Amino acid sequence: AQSVTQLDSQVPVFEEAPVELRCNYSSSVSVYLFWYVQYPNQGLQLLLKYLSGSTLVESINGFEAEFNKSQTSFHLRKPSVHISDTAEYFCAVSDIGGNQFYFGTGTSLTVIP
Amino acid sequence: NAGVMQNPRHLVRRRGQEARLRCSPMKGHSHVYWYRQLPEEGLKFMVYLQKENIIDESGMPKERFSAEFPKEGPSILRIQQVVRGDSAAYFCASSPKGDLYGYTFGSGTRLTVV
Repeated sequence: AQSVTQLDSQVPVFEEAPVELRCNYSSSVSVYLFWYVQYPNQGLQLLLKYLSGSTLVESINGFEAEFNKSQTSFHLRKPSVHISDTAEYFCAVSDIGGNQFYFGTGTSLTVIP
Repeated sequence: NAGVMQNPRHLVRRRGQEARLRCSPMKGHSHVYWYRQLPEEGLKFMVYLQKENIIDESGMPKERFSAEFPKEGPSILRIQQVVRGDSAAYFCASSPKGDLYGYTFGSGTRLTVV
């Protein structure tokens, strides 16, 4: 069975500072890895994903995540955050060839002006 | 392309009533998934349906919950005799092929049981 652990439930950070949101997973099989973002009262939007190839993946709005197989981690980073990045961030895994996600409990990122 | 449409956005029910949540998948998508997000938790898979068929209901509670995806019309998640613990956000997602390609979430229905 898959499980996802997001180690920090809340992360406050000042505007323009760097941030890292941590995600660890456990699985007996190979998985795909994802980060989703949820703005208040909205649905989940895909931020970035790792399927194969380069272990460093990037989003169009400056976030990046690195798949570390030995540490079973997929931490999300951004070198300089904006107020608009305030949201809930969910890490998720899926079996290769699967049709459902296993989500972590989420990290609430608050960017402070 | 209107995306995955869920309605209502907010639903309030008294204990013992029935709740019906609707989900219209994206155009061209014939696979629908329901997830539940309890307060302070991540989303948890409930059920996967294709037109007129339940493919995987491993995450559905054994009682009071049912789902359908008829040949015509939206998918319906039905909760009978709601209890306070059913209060949650219910998200629907759809995909074109039954895998992760093109998997898209709706904005959710927030159910409050009073």
